[in-house]
Order: sequence, then C-alpha cells, then structure tokens
Amino acid sequence: DAKTTQPPSMDCAEGRAANLPCNHSTISGNEYVYWYRQIHSQGPQYIIHGLKNNETNEMASLIITEDRKSSTLILPHATLRDTAVYYCIGASYNQGGKLIFGQGTELSVKP
Amino acid sequence: GAVVSQHPSWVICKSGTSVKIECRSLDFQATTMFWYRQFPKQSLMLMATSNEGSKATYEQGVEKDKFLINHASLTLSTLTVTSAHPEDSSFYICSARGTGSYNSPLHFGNGTRLTVT
Repeated sequence: DAKTTQPPSMDCAEGRAANLPCNHSTISGNEYVYWYRQIHSQGPQYIIHGLKNNETNEMASLIITEDRKSSTLILPHATLRDTAVYYCIGASYNQGGKLIFGQGTELSVKP
Repeated sequence: GAVVSQHPSWVICKSGTSVKIECRSLDFQATTMFWYRQFPKQSLMLMATSNEGSKATYEQGVEKDKFLINHASLTLSTLTVTSAHPEDSSFYICSARGTGSYNSPLHFGNGTRLTVT
C-alpha cells in the first residue's frame, strides 16, 4: 500500500470550500486513491476514489496531480456536519483490496 | 447504497468471557470482509481479512486463536473475542466489498464498542 501523508488538522469556515491535501509519492500505477471520513464514534464513510483522472460526486471532488504523487479532496461548501477525520488511502486489488488507514486529517468546520 | 450492519453496537462483558460480533452486508453479497480495531484517539488498525468459505488471514501481531473469525455466508462474518481481557476493550469495525468491480470501495459498519471489566 502507498504511504500517504496528510496534515494532522485543518480548520475551515462554514460555507467555504475545504481543500484537504494528501501526498502519496510512492503510489504505484495500479493503486487507486480512496478518501474516507470518520465522524466521532462511527464507522468510516466512503467519499470518493480515483486512479488518475479527476473525479466528482455529490459529496466531493478529487483532484489528482498528473504525476499522481499527490491529490486534494475538495468539499465545495463545508457545513458543520463535515467536521470529521478524513483519511486518504492508496490501495489496489492486487494487495487484497484491503485499506490501511494512516492518521488522517482532523477537519474542524467552524461557524 | 451498500449497507453494512454490525451487531451489537456496544457490549460490556466480564474478563474471561467471550464476545461475538456480527457483521452483515444487507443489500449485497460480500466475498471479502475486513475487521478493524480502533483505540481512543488512534486510527483504525486492520486485524484480519475474512473470505467466504475459507480461513481468515490475520495481520502480523494479531492472535488468530484469540480473535476467531468465521465467514460462513456471503452476507455474514463474525468476530469472536475469546477470553476477553480489559486490554481488549476497543472499538471494532467491519467492512465489506461487494462482488462488483475490483476497485469498488469498501463499506463500513458503524462499529461495536467493547468494554471488558
């Protein structure tokens, strides 16, 4: 699994875009980048994933650099309910499809 | 969307007893399930991979005789913590992948908080 590096914490004002960075310089060609978040005392929630193209869904956008060494998760209009720990994970089916969680980024959305 | 259900959501047991946690995929078949453990203020730690109809694969340092995993059907995996001790108190979370595309995301249950007294 690719080692990922995320800032331990970030703040964001309610209604503004939250941009969460992730470095994964050792990611291999067949590893996808997955983003999950965990709200206190709940199981992780899937947000989005991608291989090399930018992706967008109803929750967020994922921007992956051309060299695939880093990515950014964008929550376009953060709300207080987006306060959570966000995890960026590199994984592939070749490795059994398991997800190895790092320390993540604790995002605090403030009014 | 894919739903994974865990039961119970919390359990308190006495030291030396065994506790069984169930993980069910409610609207899809899961050939593979994963079990994680999370201590307070820490990240999730993968314990084992559970494959339907075969023995589980345990991560390094996880005692297979203490954490018994059974994946008897495509919708149910169980984790039994045997002879539980206070240091086994933790948040246990399961996840499952459906039989769709190989890169489909894992879906997680809401966890089981185990307290051993």
